[in-house]
Amino acid sequence: GAVVSQHPSWVICKSGTSVKIECRSLDFQATTMFWYRQFPKQSLMLMATSNEGSKATYEQGVEKDKFLINHASLTLSTLTVTSAHPEDSSFYICSARDFGLSPSGANVLTFGAGSRLTVL
Amino acid sequence: DAKTTQPTSMDCAEGRAANLPCNHSTISGNEYVYWYRQIHSQGPQYIIHGLKNNETNEMASLIITEDRKSSTLILPHATLRDTAVYYCIVRSPSNTGKLIFGQGTTLQVKP
Repeated sequence: GAVVSQHPSWVICKSGTSVKIECRSLDFQATTMFWYRQFPKQSLMLMATSNEGSKATYEQGVEKDKFLINHASLTLSTLTVTSAHPEDSSFYICSARDFGLSPSGANVLTFGAGSRLTVL
Repeated sequence: DAKTTQPTSMDCAEGRAANLPCNHSTISGNEYVYWYRQIHSQGPQYIIHGLKNNETNEMASLIITEDRKSSTLILPHATLRDTAVYYCIVRSPSNTGKLIFGQGTTLQVKP
């Protein structure tokens, strides 16, 4: 089945530094990937839609200059948290659609295992 | 996309069937019902989806009412590893593909 890999699975950084999280579709091509954020005991919140070869689409209230998204190939999207602060500490999850799993009209997304960011 | 309503939490005895309800009374004719689950500290896992007909796979069954205003996810023989948050999501194919998650149902399978 479709597999989405995220790296790193956890990261600790100092306040003010930038952190990059990678999301890879291992056995399929993904023109679109999605980035979510999840705080403890809360549901997933969609941050942005990552589009291969074009700019990402950010959800309302998400700072595009804070969360830089690059989707340079059909199998890789990256999320960079710039000038991270403790309030950016969260669980970041990416997902991608494998058209092979999605018959016409359906949208089955495969999710990565998530990346836990802790900013000190 | 239509809004869904799920109970906040449910318990189920190990080995018994777990029936998780979802209300989506404003669902449109072309909107699918998706079920995902999230085990603690992991990414969500796809379970099943359906449009009108009942569906079954190796993980679960999805029962959709005839008027499509509600559905039930059935885990036929729940195990302790099925303890997770279960999300019912309704969306149309015309959407960009993104899924918007609600609060879901926390299912606790007890020995």
